[in-house]
Amino acid sequence: AQKVTQAQTEISVVEKEDVTLDCVYETRDTTYYLFWYKQPPSGELVFLIRRNSFDEQNEISGRYSWNFQKSTSSFNFTITASQVVDSAVYFCALSGVSGTYKYIFGTGTRLKVLA
Amino acid sequence: ETGVTQTPRHLVMGMTNKKSLKCEQHLGHNAMYWYKQSAKKPLELMFVYSLEERVENNSVPSRFSPECPNSSHLFLHLHTLQPEDSALYLCASGSRANTEAFFGQGTRLTVV
Repeated sequence: AQKVTQAQTEISVVEKEDVTLDCVYETRDTTYYLFWYKQPPSGELVFLIRRNSFDEQNEISGRYSWNFQKSTSSFNFTITASQVVDSAVYFCALSGVSGTYKYIFGTGTRLKVLA
Repeated sequence: ETGVTQTPRHLVMGMTNKKSLKCEQHLGHNAMYWYKQSAKKPLELMFVYSLEERVENNSVPSRFSPECPNSSHLFLHLHTLQPEDSALYLCASGSRANTEAFFGQGTRLTVV
């Protein structure tokens, strides 16, 4: 069975602090894809990153960075120097074998960045 | 123009009403999705259409009826809903399996 766990329900930080959002996944597939999405108060999920299971390189995009570790089945997301505009719910998702359109989402982590 | 557009943004309906949610994508994608987002629950996949054919139906009650007349439009027809169906309904589209999906802003549905 496939599963995504985001154990942190809500995190509050003060602006300019770094924050890491955890994501742990379970799958028996050897090929799979991992995603992070941001859901601001407006409602739509905004795509942030996609990673396939064969690419364990960490990625940095501005203040965002992602740490993919197959050994621990984790795909963590770090925001450096957080800003109030980063306040949102963040979702980690998993997609399985080729040909499936099914995304399994975690329950999300609500991030509050306080000024 | 935004990639995925959902209308209406908000909907209040009685349990005996019939209404429809509409989703339109302008991204040239060939797959479209309906998700339900309830408070404190994971996003639930309801339906997936690929090339206008339904490829996933996640044991959704028959009071929800999807329709995909072409690759750009997706509807969710609602009838005799229950108060527990109140949720945010999100539409998404994607270019192929395992690529990222792009979401609309959702329809906030309240069943009274």
